[in-house]
Amino acid sequence: DIVMTQSPDSLAVSLGERATINCKSSQSVLYRTNNENYLAWYQQKPGQPPKLLIYWASTRESGVPDRFSGSGSGTDFTLTISSLQAEDVAVYYCQHYYSSPFTFGPGTKVDI
Amino acid sequence: EVQLVQSGAEVKKPGESLKISCKGSGYSFTTYWIAWVRQMPGKGLEWMGILYPGDSDTRYSPSFQGQVTISADKSISTAYLQWASLKASDTAMYYCARAPTSVSNPSYMDVWGKGTTVTVSS
Repeated sequence: DIVMTQSPDSLAVSLGERATINCKSSQSVLYRTNNENYLAWYQQKPGQPPKLLIYWASTRESGVPDRFSGSGSGTDFTLTISSLQAEDVAVYYCQHYYSSPFTFGPGTKVDI
Repeated sequence: EVQLVQSGAEVKKPGESLKISCKGSGYSFTTYWIAWVRQMPGKGLEWMGILYPGDSDTRYSPSFQGQVTISADKSISTAYLQWASLKASDTAMYYCARAPTSVSNPSYMDVWGKGTTVTVSS
């Protein structure tokens, strides 16, 4: 199984400042057939289901603000919130979908 | 509107059986995968398994293989997660989520149900 790790476990960022979350997979999730990284990012606010933010490592889901961006390839990935807003307080998870089981990272809690 | 509507909260005793549901609407149910994700109280997300309603191709996480059964009735656009004998450790929120197909395999989860709370207690 591919193991996903995230850092940091939590971070506190001032309003308007940048937040950076890192995600690492135990093996590459770059699929050579289509040159895509099989990596997604989700946001989960308290009492709500997760919400898809980013897929294929860097494609923003429709309706997601452009302050959210994803980058990276192979085994190392980053989610960046360029200017943190109050509504971005949440736990953020990365997940691979390269091969079953599609494991999640442990999550990163973002606070103000 | 694309949505997944999950069945209501359940309170069960250890050893009892349970089947929870997830009904898809607003899209072609048989052309997207349905995944199940567990979230134990105060913990992170765990991918349990996934099913393609079009041909019932089902894949389980080794952690959940043999512990649960994932199925679907495509005639009513509904997927199921069931237990034959519940344990207290099955107490959790369970989410279903839709996943598009990519190169004949499931991919990211783009639409999520609101979740079903399962409480197992004697």
